[in-house]
Amino acid sequence: GENVEQHPSTLSVQEGDSAVIKCTYSDSASNYFPWYKQELGKRPQLIIDIRSNVGEKKDQRIAVTLNKTAKHFSLHITETQPEDSAVYFCAASRETSGSRLTFGEGTQLTVNP
Amino acid sequence: GAGVSQSPSNKVTEKGKDVELRCDPISGHTALYWYRQSLGQGLEFLIYFQGNSAPDKSGLPSDRFSAERTGGSVSTLTIQRTQQEDSAVYLCASSLEWSAGIQYFGAGTRLSVL
Repeated sequence: GENVEQHPSTLSVQEGDSAVIKCTYSDSASNYFPWYKQELGKRPQLIIDIRSNVGEKKDQRIAVTLNKTAKHFSLHITETQPEDSAVYFCAASRETSGSRLTFGEGTQLTVNP
Repeated sequence: GAGVSQSPSNKVTEKGKDVELRCDPISGHTALYWYRQSLGQGLEFLIYFQGNSAPDKSGLPSDRFSAERTGGSVSTLTIQRTQQEDSAVYLCASSLEWSAGIQYFGAGTRLSVL
């Protein structure tokens, strides 16, 4: 089955700096890679996703890059703000009916004012 | 509905008792998933329902865990003879069949086994 590894487990940055979280996956058939943000005590919420037919996707201060050859993908947050502080999870799946997401272990991001 | 709804939000039970957790998916979503999140950990897949297909139960940790989905909508996760290691937040998610990857999560049920 799929195995997703996520690094780092904790990340602390100063407000305004960039943050990068990296994930690797094992199943070469995986073709859908979402990122979820989970604030303390809240439900995970999708913030951005990418499919294997593109290498990069951006949404304002958030971007995701995908390298299918190396089987890794990354989340980039620019101009970080204190409200970006949360746990971020990457995931991977085969986007077909019957697929399921395999999640990474999460990264606790802290943005210091 | 506006989103995935789970009940109860919190459940405290004694070791050895059975518990039932409920999930109401987003209307029209045919896929429903259960995950378990232990304190400070990632999301552990438990079980997945897709339409009328047989569920994928490969993530259930033991035969004390079971789930059903009646009428293709509401799902119940049952844990029999609860153990302290079952304490966790149980999250439900749903997705449209045509886009199985985008999952929307409920707020979860925090289960505490004393």
